[in-house]
Amino acid sequence: GESVGLHLPTLSVQEGDNSIINCAYSNSASDYFIWYKQESGKGPQFIIDIRSNMDKRQGQRVTVLLNKTVKHLSLQIAATQPGDSAVYFCAENSGQAGTALIFGKGTTLSVSS
Amino acid sequence: DAGVTQSPTHLIKTRGQHVTLRCSPISGHKSVSWYQQVLGQGPQFIFQYYEKEERGRGNFPDRFSARQFPNYSSELNVNALLLGDSALYLCASSLNRAGDGYTFGSGTRLTVV
Repeated sequence: GESVGLHLPTLSVQEGDNSIINCAYSNSASDYFIWYKQESGKGPQFIIDIRSNMDKRQGQRVTVLLNKTVKHLSLQIAATQPGDSAVYFCAENSGQAGTALIFGKGTTLSVSS
Repeated sequence: DAGVTQSPTHLIKTRGQHVTLRCSPISGHKSVSWYQQVLGQGPQFIFQYYEKEERGRGNFPDRFSARQFPNYSSELNVNALLLGDSALYLCASSLNRAGDGYTFGSGTRLTVV
């Protein structure tokens, strides 16, 4: 079926380290991908997005890489800070059903100082 | 400007009851989408409404229904509540059907006992 999954349920890093969160997707028709951060008691917060005609996109301290050959998406966070501790989800939009996003299960990032 | 606002923030219902959840989109946004997030999982798409019409529906039973009002606010209704309906219900609004400016609210935590 169509689904987006993350490789690791948890990731623990030290403050200042770089973090890499991975995601595999199964729908080759998906053309838009988004990374969200969700803190406890809050809704998902947009971090960065990428369209299928790109391989890499950079934001402030974050980079998203897309490998369409192996259907893999990753989020890199540079100089991870305690405030980055949260659950991270990748989501895809296959263009069906309007703006319906398909989310994976999430990776919990814990940053220790 | 206010973001996406949802009410109530928390709710406890008994099995068999019905519930109505409300969402006010960001000013100027004409599309509203609803998601269910069960504890420990990613959000799952329920509905999208645009210009007061249903534009997309996820794999949820007919107990779930929604509507959008002329002011673009929306209600999600769930009938004959089951224990498994306990979840965080998220609303997301966007400028248009394509999803520009897609933003989530903080959700309504529904507990069915």
